[in-house]
Amino acid sequence: GNSVTQMEGPVTLSEEAFLTINCTYTATGYPSLFWYVQYPGEGLQLLLKATKADDKGSNKGFEATYRKETTSFHLEKGSVQVSDSAVYFCALDNGQNFVFGPGTRLSVLP
Amino acid sequence: NAGVTQTPKFQVLKTGQSMTLQCAQDMNHEYMSWYRQDPGMGLRLIHYSVGAGITDQGEVPNGYNVSRSTTEDFPLRLLSAAPSQTSVYFCASRRGQGGAYEQYFGPGTRLTVT
Repeated sequence: GNSVTQMEGPVTLSEEAFLTINCTYTATGYPSLFWYVQYPGEGLQLLLKATKADDKGSNKGFEATYRKETTSFHLEKGSVQVSDSAVYFCALDNGQNFVFGPGTRLSVLP
Repeated sequence: NAGVTQTPKFQVLKTGQSMTLQCAQDMNHEYMSWYRQDPGMGLRLIHYSVGAGITDQGEVPNGYNVSRSTTEDFPLRLLSAAPSQTSVYFCASRRGQGGAYEQYFGPGTRLTVT
Protein backbone atom coordinates (compact mmCIF):
# COMPACT_ATOMS: atom_id res chain seq x y z
CA GLY A 1 0.00 0.00 0.00
CA ASN A 2 0.89 3.66 0.01
CA SER A 3 2.55 5.17 3.05
CA VAL A 4 4.63 8.16 4.13
CA THR A 5 7.28 8.13 6.81
CA GLN A 6 8.80 11.27 8.27
CA MET A 7 10.89 12.14 11.30
CA GLU A 8 8.45 12.82 14.09
CA GLY A 9 10.42 15.29 16.09
CA PRO A 10 9.94 17.52 17.85
CA VAL A 11 12.75 19.43 16.20
CA THR A 12 14.11 22.43 18.06
CA LEU A 13 16.46 24.85 16.31
CA SER A 14 17.93 28.26 16.91
CA GLU A 15 17.02 31.07 14.57
CA GLU A 16 19.10 31.07 11.34
CA ALA A 17 19.96 27.36 11.69
CA PHE A 18 19.69 24.95 8.76
CA LEU A 19 16.61 22.76 8.66
CA THR A 20 16.14 19.28 7.22
CA ILE A 21 13.01 17.21 7.77
CA ASN A 22 13.26 13.77 6.22
CA CYS A 23 10.39 12.20 4.32
CA THR A 24 10.30 8.86 2.52
CA TYR A 25 7.39 7.21 0.84
CA THR A 26 6.13 3.87 -0.41
CA ALA A 27 3.82 3.91 -3.38
CA THR A 28 2.93 2.13 -6.57
CA GLY A 29 3.64 4.18 -9.65
CA TYR A 30 4.80 7.77 -9.42
CA PRO A 31 2.75 9.80 -7.00
CA SER A 32 2.79 13.57 -6.66
CA LEU A 33 4.46 14.70 -3.44
CA PHE A 34 3.56 17.58 -1.15
CA TRP A 35 4.64 19.38 1.98
CA TYR A 36 1.91 21.01 4.04
CA VAL A 37 2.38 23.30 7.05
CA GLN A 38 0.05 23.74 10.01
CA TYR A 39 0.44 26.82 12.20
CA PRO A 40 -0.99 26.67 15.73
CA GLY A 41 -4.79 26.58 15.77
CA GLU A 42 -5.10 26.54 11.99
CA GLY A 43 -5.78 24.12 9.18
CA LEU A 44 -3.13 22.79 6.82
CA GLN A 45 -1.85 24.90 3.98
CA LEU A 46 0.24 23.91 1.02
CA LEU A 47 3.93 24.74 1.33
CA LEU A 48 5.27 23.17 -1.86
CA LYS A 49 4.80 20.27 -4.22
CA ALA A 50 6.51 18.20 -6.93
CA THR A 51 4.81 16.11 -9.55
CA LYS A 52 7.59 14.03 -11.10
CA ALA A 53 11.07 12.69 -10.45
CA ASP A 54 13.82 15.32 -10.05
CA ASP A 55 11.28 18.12 -9.75
CA LYS A 56 12.16 20.66 -7.06
CA GLY A 57 9.36 22.40 -5.21
CA SER A 58 10.14 25.68 -3.47
CA ASN A 59 8.32 28.35 -1.50
CA LYS A 60 9.17 30.86 1.25
CA GLY A 61 12.79 29.67 1.31
CA PHE A 62 11.82 26.01 1.71
CA GLU A 63 12.84 23.44 -0.89
CA ALA A 64 12.29 19.74 -1.52
CA THR A 65 13.41 17.55 -4.42
CA TYR A 66 11.50 14.49 -5.65
CA ARG A 67 14.05 11.64 -5.55
CA LYS A 68 12.65 8.53 -7.20
CA GLU A 69 15.78 6.44 -6.63
CA THR A 70 15.61 6.92 -2.85
CA THR A 71 11.80 7.44 -2.69
CA SER A 72 12.40 10.60 -0.70
CA PHE A 73 11.18 14.19 -0.56
CA HIS A 74 13.20 15.84 2.21
CA LEU A 75 12.28 19.38 3.23
CA GLU A 76 15.12 21.91 3.66
CA LYS A 77 15.54 25.55 4.56
CA GLY A 78 18.84 27.33 4.82
CA SER A 79 17.99 29.74 7.64
CA VAL A 80 14.89 29.23 9.77
CA GLN A 81 12.99 31.99 11.52
CA VAL A 82 10.87 31.99 14.67
CA SER A 83 7.82 32.38 12.42
CA ASP A 84 8.57 28.96 10.85
CA SER A 85 7.54 27.23 14.08
CA ALA A 86 4.74 24.89 13.03
CA VAL A 87 3.94 21.27 12.24
CA TYR A 88 5.07 20.05 8.82
CA PHE A 89 3.36 17.19 6.98
CA CYS A 90 4.72 15.25 4.05
CA ALA A 91 2.04 13.75 1.81
CA LEU A 92 1.58 11.86 -1.44
CA ASP A 93 -1.26 11.82 -3.93
CA ASN A 94 -1.74 8.32 -5.27
CA GLY A 95 -4.16 9.49 -7.94
CA GLN A 96 -7.20 8.83 -5.78
CA ASN A 97 -6.51 10.16 -2.30
CA PHE A 98 -3.83 11.84 -0.24
CA VAL A 99 -1.75 9.88 2.27
CA PHE A 100 -0.14 11.94 5.02
CA GLY A 101 2.86 11.32 7.23
CA PRO A 102 2.54 11.75 11.01
CA GLY A 103 3.84 15.33 11.00
CA THR A 104 7.00 16.91 12.41
CA ARG A 105 6.74 19.67 14.98
CA LEU A 106 9.36 22.39 14.53
CA SER A 107 10.17 24.94 17.20
CA VAL A 108 12.55 27.79 16.37
CA LEU A 109 14.03 29.67 19.29
CA PRO A 110 15.17 33.30 19.05
CA ASN B 1 -13.64 33.54 -1.79
CA ALA B 2 -14.16 32.21 1.71
CA GLY B 3 -12.45 28.94 0.71
CA VAL B 4 -13.37 25.99 2.93
CA THR B 5 -15.44 26.81 6.00
CA GLN B 6 -16.27 24.54 8.92
CA THR B 7 -18.67 24.86 11.82
CA PRO B 8 -18.57 24.62 14.74
CA LYS B 9 -15.02 25.40 15.77
CA PHE B 10 -15.34 23.57 19.09
CA GLN B 11 -17.84 21.00 20.34
CA VAL B 12 -18.26 18.87 23.46
CA LEU B 13 -20.55 15.86 23.30
CA LYS B 14 -21.60 13.20 25.73
CA THR B 15 -21.22 9.56 24.77
CA GLY B 16 -24.16 8.47 22.64
CA GLN B 17 -25.12 11.92 21.41
CA SER B 18 -25.30 12.69 17.72
CA MET B 19 -24.19 15.74 15.81
CA THR B 20 -23.28 17.01 12.35
CA LEU B 21 -20.08 18.79 11.47
CA GLN B 22 -20.67 21.24 8.66
CA CYS B 23 -18.33 21.86 5.75
CA ALA B 24 -18.79 24.16 2.78
CA GLN B 25 -16.58 25.39 -0.05
CA ASP B 26 -17.14 28.13 -2.59
CA MET B 27 -14.49 27.16 -5.15
CA ASN B 28 -16.71 24.81 -7.18
CA HIS B 29 -14.44 21.89 -6.33
CA GLU B 30 -15.65 18.42 -7.22
CA TYR B 31 -13.59 16.51 -4.66
CA MET B 32 -14.18 16.90 -0.93
CA SER B 33 -12.95 14.89 2.01
CA TRP B 34 -13.01 14.58 5.78
CA TYR B 35 -9.96 13.81 7.90
CA ARG B 36 -9.35 13.34 11.56
CA GLN B 37 -6.10 14.43 13.16
CA ASP B 38 -4.78 12.62 16.21
CA PRO B 39 -1.39 13.10 17.91
CA GLY B 40 1.40 11.18 16.21
CA MET B 41 -0.90 9.79 13.51
CA GLY B 42 -1.07 12.59 10.99
CA LEU B 43 -4.32 12.95 9.11
CA ARG B 44 -6.47 9.92 8.41
CA LEU B 45 -9.14 9.92 5.74
CA ILE B 46 -12.68 9.25 6.99
CA HIS B 47 -14.86 9.69 3.90
CA TYR B 48 -14.55 11.43 0.59
CA SER B 49 -16.69 12.50 -2.34
CA VAL B 50 -15.78 12.92 -6.00
CA GLY B 51 -18.93 14.88 -6.81
CA ALA B 52 -22.51 15.55 -5.80
CA GLY B 53 -24.31 12.30 -5.03
CA ILE B 54 -21.12 10.23 -4.84
CA THR B 55 -19.36 9.31 -1.59
CA ASP B 56 -16.92 6.62 -0.56
CA GLN B 57 -15.16 5.36 2.54
CA GLY B 58 -11.65 6.23 3.52
CA GLU B 59 -9.28 4.63 6.00
CA VAL B 60 -11.36 5.11 9.17
CA PRO B 61 -15.08 5.35 8.24
CA ASN B 62 -16.67 3.49 11.15
CA GLY B 63 -19.01 5.62 13.25
CA TYR B 64 -19.34 8.35 10.62
CA ASN B 65 -21.80 9.04 7.81
CA VAL B 66 -21.64 11.53 4.96
CA SER B 67 -23.79 12.74 2.11
CA ARG B 68 -23.18 15.13 -0.78
CA SER B 69 -26.37 16.65 -2.08
CA THR B 70 -24.69 19.75 -3.53
CA THR B 71 -21.23 20.57 -4.85
CA GLU B 72 -20.72 23.10 -2.06
CA ASP B 73 -21.62 21.13 1.08
CA PHE B 74 -20.24 17.95 2.62
CA PRO B 75 -21.52 17.36 6.18
CA LEU B 76 -20.10 14.69 8.47
CA ARG B 77 -22.50 12.97 10.86
CA LEU B 78 -21.67 11.21 14.09
CA LEU B 79 -24.71 9.06 14.90
CA SER B 80 -23.67 7.92 18.39
CA ALA B 81 -20.55 9.65 19.65
CA ALA B 82 -17.85 7.64 21.43
CA PRO B 83 -14.77 8.86 23.39
CA SER B 84 -12.58 7.36 20.63
CA GLN B 85 -13.98 10.02 18.30
CA THR B 86 -12.36 12.79 20.32
CA SER B 87 -10.17 14.43 17.70
CA VAL B 88 -9.69 17.44 15.46
CA TYR B 89 -11.66 17.13 12.22
CA PHE B 90 -10.64 18.78 8.99
CA CYS B 91 -12.61 19.15 5.81
CA ALA B 92 -10.74 19.64 2.55
CA SER B 93 -11.56 20.20 -1.09
CA ARG B 94 -9.74 20.17 -4.42
CA ARG B 95 -10.58 20.57 -8.05
CA GLY B 96 -10.32 16.87 -8.84
CA GLN B 97 -8.42 13.66 -8.21
CA GLY B 98 -4.87 13.17 -9.36
CA GLY B 99 -3.22 15.79 -11.54
CA ALA B 100 -1.33 17.15 -8.53
CA TYR B 101 -4.34 19.23 -7.51
CA GLU B 102 -3.60 20.61 -4.08
CA GLN B 103 -6.06 20.23 -1.26
CA TYR B 104 -7.50 23.27 0.51
CA PHE B 105 -8.27 22.75 4.18
CA GLY B 106 -10.80 24.27 6.50
CA PRO B 107 -9.80 25.60 9.95
CA GLY B 108 -10.92 22.43 11.74
CA THR B 109 -13.43 21.39 14.40
CA ARG B 110 -12.10 20.29 17.77
CA LEU B 111 -14.46 17.64 19.15
CA THR B 112 -14.37 16.24 22.66
CA VAL B 113 -16.56 13.27 23.62
CA THR B 114 -16.94 12.65 27.34
